[in-house]
Amino acid sequence: GQNIDQPTEMTATEGAIVQINCTYQTSGFNGLFWYQQHAGEAPTFLSYNVLDGLEEKGRFSSFLSRSKGYSYLLLKELQMKDSASYLCAVLDSNYQLIWGAGTKLIIKP
Amino acid sequence: DGGITQSPKYLFRKEGQNVTLSCEQNLNHDAMYWYRQDPGQGLRLIYYSQIVNDFQKGDIAEGYSVSREKKESFPLTVTSAQKNPTAFYLCASRSGQADNSPLHFGNGTRLTVT
Repeated sequence: GQNIDQPTEMTATEGAIVQINCTYQTSGFNGLFWYQQHAGEAPTFLSYNVLDGLEEKGRFSSFLSRSKGYSYLLLKELQMKDSASYLCAVLDSNYQLIWGAGTKLIIKP
Repeated sequence: DGGITQSPKYLFRKEGQNVTLSCEQNLNHDAMYWYRQDPGQGLRLIYYSQIVNDFQKGDIAEGYSVSREKKESFPLTVTSAQKNPTAFYLCASRSGQADNSPLHFGNGTRLTVT
């Protein structure tokens, strides 16, 4: 079966760095997405990786290793507004998105 | 500004009643999707549509129905046959089904059935 694993919850301190991991087992692979979702709101697109390596976008970076079925989202200089859930999703061989359950990130002052 | 509009934001219904959730997009996207989100679970696909007048069942289509009469609109009906309809429903679109473009989401409708 297809499976995406993420930690359920993480806590970090304002100004610090946090890494949210995502491991996957899917039928084929056409890329991996990260989304941010504040409580009660729509998910918003953060990043897309299809090649191995690190993609940097401001305070947020996303890494992919296809051979290990592994990705992480790195958030630097954490701000209180970064408190949200972070969703990992893989595009399988049929271009269907397989979603992880999300990681709730709590930022403390 | 282009986007996806879902209405209403909150919806309350009695058990046994059908209810229709609205989803409209002005992004000129071909593909549209309906997801259900429950606490502690990933987004689950209910139905999707790649083109007008065509739609496909997702992983949890039982108890739901959709239509795609216009490119801009993809309403979802939650029927009385859906055993556990209380959930957060998200509509999404992207430019095409068989590509790697990101999904754009509406703000969701929280449905409560008592």
